[in-house]
Amino acid sequence: GAGVSQSPSNKVTEKGKDVELRCDPISGHTALYWYRQSLGQGLEFLIYFQGNSAPDKSGLPSDRFSAERTGGSVSTLTIQRTQQEDSAVYLCASSRGTSGSSNTGELFFGEGSRLTVL
Amino acid sequence: QQQVKQSPQSLIVQKGGISIINCAYENTAFDYFPWYQQFPGKGPALLIAIRPDVSEKKEGRFTISFNKSAKQFSLHIMDSQPGDSATYFCAASKGSGTYKYIFGTGTRLKVLA
Repeated sequence: GAGVSQSPSNKVTEKGKDVELRCDPISGHTALYWYRQSLGQGLEFLIYFQGNSAPDKSGLPSDRFSAERTGGSVSTLTIQRTQQEDSAVYLCASSRGTSGSSNTGELFFGEGSRLTVL
Repeated sequence: QQQVKQSPQSLIVQKGGISIINCAYENTAFDYFPWYQQFPGKGPALLIAIRPDVSEKKEGRFTISFNKSAKQFSLHIMDSQPGDSATYFCAASKGSGTYKYIFGTGTRLKVLA
């Protein structure tokens, strides 16, 4: 598809289990972001990738959270030993990033992965 | 320094009325201020954006007003329609959007028919 694709769309897990959330950005977009949206809350920044490197991972809440991006494309957000407070919608977004004068700041979001930790 | 403060948290407007949402920021390095619109079950989508070299930008019924000295910007929705009912997020970034976006806490708008 032409948009940002996230999977799974819904994930229910038990406390203490590990989960992986996947993001497939728009083809050619060099920048990729992960945000977390808790119920009725704003968008909390987690991590930002430019290509395969993460110049800013300051938003990751704890060392249980990690993310990687391979081939400058697909990204995986991993949450180890999930806790109930991890329940939220995890949103991925991509943007064209910078390419000479063709920079555009627009973020294109996926529809999110809703995580419920019981 | 990194926060973007958004108000109100929720807003109810009659059809045809004007909806106004306000945001304030601290970091003067921010140079890109977009507004995103989010419908239930969907990801946010860019609505309109402004850079600090202009004080106003208009696209159809949507207008951003920007006050650089006050470090504030607002979204005005003219002739509000029930289809505008959604959650609106302001955001700020620097490096013309190459830096991480800092989002406001969101405003849930309901337009009554």
